[in-house]
Amino acid sequence: DSGVTQTPKHLITATGQRVTLRCSPRSGDLSVYWYQQSLDQGLQFLIQYYNGEERAKGNILERFSAQQFPDLHSELNLSSLELGDSALYFCASSPTGQGGYEQYFGPGTRLTVT
Amino acid sequence: GESVGLHLPTLSVQEGDNSIINCAYSNSASDYFIWYKQESGKGPQFIIDIRSNMDKRQGQRVTVLLNKTVKHLSLQIAATQPGDSAVYFCADWKGGSYIPTFGRGTSLIVHP
Repeated sequence: DSGVTQTPKHLITATGQRVTLRCSPRSGDLSVYWYQQSLDQGLQFLIQYYNGEERAKGNILERFSAQQFPDLHSELNLSSLELGDSALYFCASSPTGQGGYEQYFGPGTRLTVT
Repeated sequence: GESVGLHLPTLSVQEGDNSIINCAYSNSASDYFIWYKQESGKGPQFIIDIRSNMDKRQGQRVTVLLNKTVKHLSLQIAATQPGDSAVYFCADWKGGSYIPTFGRGTSLIVHP
């Protein structure tokens, strides 16, 4: 158990809908990362927050957004969902906002868009 | 690093053998590297890391070797066990960057 929690574990929704994925980092970790893992793309970095502020952006679509709240939990919002958004979404946390530190991954949320 | 594709390289070994998994990275400015293990249905799990000022680092049953000249990373697992069966992939960070790049995963299958 990494100490990072993600809810829900599974999510099935229809195209065009909007969903929110939630992540609670390890106690004391200030940084949260979001990743998408699909069969054809592997693990892709989406976005990072550090102590409530956006720190880095990767291959995140404009239909997706995220935020980190004062209690450090984070939410990833996916809207206007398409079939191709079906994937595993992982959250990871680390103590600092810098690269070069171990990241602890949550168990993931499996999103299926039908 | 390259993306993990649908068809992962596979390494099949017998229980008790030593395993070597390789990873190529593309950014010569990368200065921090992690090996992850991902079991089916679970999130990636940290195994071992290494910084670019080292060329070898040992953990419990695992050793990571870094060859910066050819931008190559390897993970050696000693006395491989069935519980080691998983997908293994590397990640690298360019100095000062917050964004990791993930390497192509390798599926390790350990036969009892």
